[in-house]
Amino acid sequence: SQKIEQNSEALNIQEGKTATLTCNYTNYSPAYLQWYRQDPGRGPVFLLLIRENEKEKRKERLKVTFDTTLKQSLFHITASQPADSATYLCALAPYSGGYQKVTFGTGTKLQVIP
Amino acid sequence: DAGVTQSPTHLIKTRGQQVTLRCSPKSGHDTVSWYQQALGQGPQFIFQYYEEEERQRGNFPDRFSGHQFPNYSSELNVNALLLGDSALYLCASSFDGADGAGYTFGSGTRLTVV
Repeated sequence: SQKIEQNSEALNIQEGKTATLTCNYTNYSPAYLQWYRQDPGRGPVFLLLIRENEKEKRKERLKVTFDTTLKQSLFHITASQPADSATYLCALAPYSGGYQKVTFGTGTKLQVIP
Repeated sequence: DAGVTQSPTHLIKTRGQQVTLRCSPKSGHDTVSWYQQALGQGPQFIFQYYEEEERQRGNFPDRFSGHQFPNYSSELNVNALLLGDSALYLCASSFDGADGAGYTFGSGTRLTVV
């Protein structure tokens, strides 16, 4: 069955360092992969999307890589700040004939320590 | 420009009752997807509506049903509520022609079944 795995344990990191979050998937051929941020009691907020033919995408302090051979995406936040503390969700969309059913991982909680 | 609006924000129901949750998509969006998020888990896909039709459905029983109106707003109905239906219900909107643009989520409806 399809599975999307993210580190279930919280990631604690010192302010100013680079946070790296991992998303692994099995039995899946995604057309693209998305990363969302979710704060407690709120809906997810879309951050970045990377397509299966792209290796890397950047947006300000965020960087996403996508390795379809390893079936893995890495999400980096450089110069992390306490305001970056949140849960980060990886989401995949399959080849779906023009429309998208987005499947989410369980998320990794990031805590940036001042 | 209003984003996705969900109502109510919180709801307490008794086992066996029925509930209706409402969603107004972001302006310009024509597709609505519903997700269920249990505490500490990632969002689970319930179904997606486009052109007033259910286009895709996740692994949820028939007790979960929905509707989309001509103005693109949507309702999620859950019949015969179980304790296990307690969760955050998220509505996400998107534009069908914007391949891979990411979802815009509402803040969700917190449903508690007692």
